[in-house]
Parts: sequence; C-alpha cells; structure tokens
Amino acid sequence: DTGVSQNPRHKITKRGQNVTFRCDPISEHNRLYWYRQTLGQGPEFLTYFQNEAQLEKSRLLSDRFSAERPKGSFSTLEIQRTEQGDSAMYLCASSHGGKEVDEQYFGPGTRLTVT
Amino acid sequence: RKEVEQDPGPFNVPEGATVAFNCTYSNSASQSFFWYRQDCRKEPKLLMSVYSSGNEDGRFTAQLNRASQYISLLIRDSKLSDSATYLCVVNGGFNKFYFGSGTKLNVKP
Repeated sequence: DTGVSQNPRHKITKRGQNVTFRCDPISEHNRLYWYRQTLGQGPEFLTYFQNEAQLEKSRLLSDRFSAERPKGSFSTLEIQRTEQGDSAMYLCASSHGGKEVDEQYFGPGTRLTVT
Repeated sequence: RKEVEQDPGPFNVPEGATVAFNCTYSNSASQSFFWYRQDCRKEPKLLMSVYSSGNEDGRFTAQLNRASQYISLLIRDSKLSDSATYLCVVNGGFNKFYFGSGTKLNVKP
C-alpha cells in the first residue's frame, strides 16, 4: 500500500502527558499537511511543510504543539501537556506540490482521547 | 464569518435521484477548490477538483462561480454507496486549505 500512513491509529492519554504522532506521506509527495478534526466539523488546518520547511502554521497551533519533518519525508506532530480539548482526530495529508492544482491525499488519522 | 460554509443537511433522497450541494467561500482570492467525501469515522477522500470551466466525472459534476463565490456538486442517479458526508475545500492562498463542515447525504432504497 503506497498511500499515506499514520501511527498510532488510536492514542489514549492522561491530561498533562505528552504525545507524538507520526505521518509517512506518499513517497513522491513533497508537501505534507496536518489537520485536526472534531465530531461534526470539517478538518481544520494546523500546519504545512514543503519538503523539510514548515511554511504555514495556523493560530490553532498553540505553543504546546510542534511539528517537524526533519528529512523531508515523514513528519511528527507532538502535543505537550495534553488537555481534554485536544481530543480529536489528527489527520495527515500529502500532495505532489509540482502540479497546477494541489490535490491532497489523507491518511487514516490518529484518534486522540485525553482523559 | 467562516471561510467556507455548507448546508449540513442531511439530504435524504431515494436511489436514482439527482441531488445538488452548494458551498460558499468568503475569500475572493481563493485559488483552488475541491470536493471530498468522508464516510463515518474514515479519512476524507478526494472526489474531484473543481475547475473554472466546470468538470464532470461520471455521475458527478462540479461547478465554480467566482462572481458569487460558490461551488456546487451535482450527483445524478444516486446510489446507496453515495451516502456520505461531502466536504467542500478551498485553498485560501499560501496552501492554507479550508474545509466546510460537510453536507450529509443519505440515499435510501
């Protein structure tokens, strides 16, 4: 399967703990996006990488959130000192970046539950 | 005001019906537009990009109206398998993509 993969698929953590999620994009894609989705809402943009450079960050991405893509391949999203409001589905998407229209393909997501 | 607005529905239609969804966006400088479908507890899947001239893919037709800042999706001959939530997506510039909250479609036998 050469689609976008995300790990873990589910994470349950206690409030105050740190969590880290991983995303592996489609291999030839140089753009990678992180989104958060809560029930009944569409995905909300968090941040985006072009290769290893983080080019855009949403104001939703508080200082407790950090994302990296150190070698321009996989990416990690870390949430420090988790809060119950962080409970959501965290989605990663990738796109080729070299086409006129930037079509994104999503991974299955990581469902985070903060207790 | 939200960047992208959609009627949440649900739209309940019989098999074989034609159904249309609209989506409005607030930023006139928005650059590209898409429709995604999302099944319950699954990731969004790209349905189609929306081009200025409109485009069609089988039973699905998408239109863009830049003057009125809306995009539409028409589904002809609805199938049970079309039941899903349809998300409107707009690239608001600098590759910041804004999703609507989705329109739920239920196709009934």
